[in-house]
Amino acid sequence: NAGVTQTPKFRVLKTGQSMTLLCAQDMNHEYMYWYRQDPGMGLRLIHYSVGEGTTAKGEVPDGYNVSRLKKQNFLLGLESAAPSQTSVYFCASRRGQGESEQYFGPGTRLTVT
Amino acid sequence: AQSVTQPDIHITVSEGASLELRCNYSYGATPYLFWYVQSPGQGLQLLLKYFSGDTLVQGIKGFEAEFKRSQSSFNLRKPSVHWSDAAEYFCAVGASRGAQKLVFGQGTRLTINP
Repeated sequence: NAGVTQTPKFRVLKTGQSMTLLCAQDMNHEYMYWYRQDPGMGLRLIHYSVGEGTTAKGEVPDGYNVSRLKKQNFLLGLESAAPSQTSVYFCASRRGQGESEQYFGPGTRLTVT
Repeated sequence: AQSVTQPDIHITVSEGASLELRCNYSYGATPYLFWYVQSPGQGLQLLLKYFSGDTLVQGIKGFEAEFKRSQSSFNLRKPSVHWSDAAEYFCAVGASRGAQKLVFGQGTRLTINP
């Protein structure tokens, strides 16, 4: 099993450009999450999904959209990137309600200039 | 709402020395507590978790943590650190075992001196 994978690993965007980050998991997990990690602020939840076709807002959802069209994939979109979105983005998945452990991907480092 | 505070942003210890990383939480009911480790350039890996029962929990890589309700703390300890323990450590809290979301602390970066 590859676990949780993220594409791309690195990306540089100009202000106003759009992009989509892809998260894929091969563990048949129900729940998936997108976090951003900034120095001194830990991980903050952007959006999450408790199953295929569902999404919900987390702590810092503004400027981001997500989709979960297939159970194994969770996409994070930036429609108009801003320098404040420079961060490291982590995807995580979790088996379901009865299992608490989240499994994390390796991260995507995004720089917006 | 839950919150987590890790008072130490950066800690340096010598290889072979003991380690304690502090975590304080705020939550009105019984919390569900976790410690994760992030090695450089990697995602987070679960070290250990506390749900109920014995307040001293054992994790992977020789780590343990103690839940102290009276102090609202869940400190992580290791008797003797190895150079490979250099990483960032995150404490997290959930409202229940099956809570949809976790709240993470700010993280503590651990440096090991040879």
